[in-house]
Amino acid sequence: DAKTTQPTSMDCAEGRAANLPCNHSTISGNEYVYWYRQIHSQGPQYIIHGLKNNETNEMASLIITEDRKSSTLILPHATLRDTAVYYCIVRVLEGGSQGNLIFGKGTKLSVKP
Amino acid sequence: DGGITQSPKYLFRKEGQNVTLSCEQNLNHDAMYWYRQDPGQGLRLIYYSQIVNDFQKGDIAEGYSVSREKKESFPLTVTSAQKNPTAFYLCASSSGWGINEQFFGPGTRLTVL
Repeated sequence: DAKTTQPTSMDCAEGRAANLPCNHSTISGNEYVYWYRQIHSQGPQYIIHGLKNNETNEMASLIITEDRKSSTLILPHATLRDTAVYYCIVRVLEGGSQGNLIFGKGTKLSVKP
Repeated sequence: DGGITQSPKYLFRKEGQNVTLSCEQNLNHDAMYWYRQDPGQGLRLIYYSQIVNDFQKGDIAEGYSVSREKKESFPLTVTSAQKNPTAFYLCASSSGWGINEQFFGPGTRLTVL
């Protein structure tokens, strides 16, 4: 079972920031937070990951709370092409089966003109 | 261009037939994965391989088989023992185990008639 909780769906106006929340209250100290997204009928695409510090790359920013029980993915200027299902995943650093990604149902983000 | 290819994009088979899905990567990645996705659901791990000539069962391996004879190839066979084979199948690879991001192929949509 996925160890994260995300809203089923969200809307965002084009050009505005999209803030996607994720709860992971049972996260362990050795688990990272990953975000992927999946545009309809395509393979998922990696966005960003972090452990406890906030992270930023060319696609998005990841804000992780100090207690690490929740995080927010921020798309600073959403475009219509950002419409997708966004998956928040926690993953251990070590190998074996625990190193696999476990995808829940994600959040369906709809960016509207 | 480097990437992961899956072929074909759409595949139709009669019930009771085995079918093999192709997955090839030219990223020189050690690890490869197979996921299954049903409508409105997240991804579920079928099999994974951390290195050539080695593979492990994922969460839903029953009715599936794989081989990893070459680093760049990880074919998945859907056997007649798989009760509900109709699904979207995704292959992924990563440069190693641990925190490395996974790169996904475009997927194969299998329909069993």
